[in-house]
Amino acid sequence: DTGVSQDPRHKITKRGQNVTFRCDPISEHNRLYWYRQTLGQGPEFLTYFQNEAQLEKSRLLSDRFSAERPKGSFSTLEIQRTEQGDSAMYLCASSFHRLGGREEQYFGPGTRLTVT
Amino acid sequence: KNQVEQSPQSLIILEGKNCTLQCNYTVSPFSNLRWYKQDTGRGPVSLTIMTFSENTKSNGRYTATLDADTKQSSLHITASQLSDSASYICVVFEGGGSGNTGKLIFGQGTTLQVKP
Repeated sequence: DTGVSQDPRHKITKRGQNVTFRCDPISEHNRLYWYRQTLGQGPEFLTYFQNEAQLEKSRLLSDRFSAERPKGSFSTLEIQRTEQGDSAMYLCASSFHRLGGREEQYFGPGTRLTVT
Repeated sequence: KNQVEQSPQSLIILEGKNCTLQCNYTVSPFSNLRWYKQDTGRGPVSLTIMTFSENTKSNGRYTATLDADTKQSSLHITASQLSDSASYICVVFEGGGSGNTGKLIFGQGTTLQVKP
């Protein structure tokens, strides 16, 4: 499978615990995005990377959230001290960005987080 | 504030019937508009992408229209099938220049249920 993959697909955790999600983008893609989606809503932008550089973070990304893309390939999203309001689907997408080009983002299947 | 609004919120139709989903946006600067299909528990999959100069684009039984003057788009589904049951999300790509951030602004989606 050469698409975007995410691991785990589901995570149930107790409030206060830390969780980490992984995203493996399409191999030649230089941009990687994280989104959060709650039930009945469209995805909301969290942050994105171009290669290993984190270029933008949403206000939604509180200081309990941290994302990394250490070698410009896979990325991790960590949530510390989880709260019930963190329960959502966390989507990763990747794209190949070039100046003047039309960028197409390809989404992974998502990680569904449930905080109890 | 950049927003994308969709209507209706949900829709039930009989198999074989046609339907049209609506999208209004206030995103500026505008780069392009996309329609995504999202099956339950899956990541969104792109159906169409339209730039400012494109009025209509088709992908099989899906036809998207764009009126950049009124900032409205529609997605028309012809001869619906049971597999069309999904959430359809209108997404506007923010940024009109070569240095754009690549940020997607998502609508909340229209949930379509096709019944036999």
